[in-house]
Amino acid sequence: QVQLKESGPGLVQPSQTLSLTCTVSGFSLTTNSVSWLRQPPGKGLEWMGVIWSNGGTDYNSAIKSRLSISRDTSKSQVFLKMNSLQTEDTAMYFCARRVLFDYWGQGVLVTVSS
Amino acid sequence: DNVLPQSPTTMAASPGEKVTITCHASSSGIYMNWHQQKSGTSPKLWIYDTSKLPSGVPDRFSGSASGTSYSLTINTMETEDAATYYCQQCCSAPLTFGSGTKLELK
Repeated sequence: QVQLKESGPGLVQPSQTLSLTCTVSGFSLTTNSVSWLRQPPGKGLEWMGVIWSNGGTDYNSAIKSRLSISRDTSKSQVFLKMNSLQTEDTAMYFCARRVLFDYWGQGVLVTVSS
Repeated sequence: DNVLPQSPTTMAASPGEKVTITCHASSSGIYMNWHQQKSGTSPKLWIYDTSKLPSGVPDRFSGSASGTSYSLTINTMETEDAATYYCQQCCSAPLTFGSGTKLELK
């Protein structure tokens, strides 16, 4: 069945770079897009960016300069890298399939703190 | 990449009551999706392509559009429907979400 699972560090220091991995199963990255999204504590959902089935990417303009999304199709993994983290980047980070977001991962909580 | 206005922000409904949540898109004729999120869990796709229900979503839920206003309606509120609902503009970037509506049980 379709599954997505996020992994990465729970704590990142201010100004450092966040690296997260989304490992998927039950579908192919060459025929499905995957997005990264985040949700600060007690707040709404924010779409961060997408890697399309052809490998192209699109990003939220508010964070585009800090964000990079890539993938390894052989390992069924999608990667997020975001630099210059600040406390306001503290959030639950999710990956989700397709632009429908028809399947979501469980999320990983990332806290930005010294 | 603006947040789509949603109304109301919060509301409470009694079992059996009809509920309508509205989202205002930037243009008409787009596909709107809705996601349900319960506290401490990941969101779930609840309505897609404006009016279609994924497998497992009760048919008391429906979606519709009128101009740039998109709505999620619950025909008769049930206790399990208490959650936060987000609209989501589909299907080209930027993939914008609504501000969210917290639906509580009265």
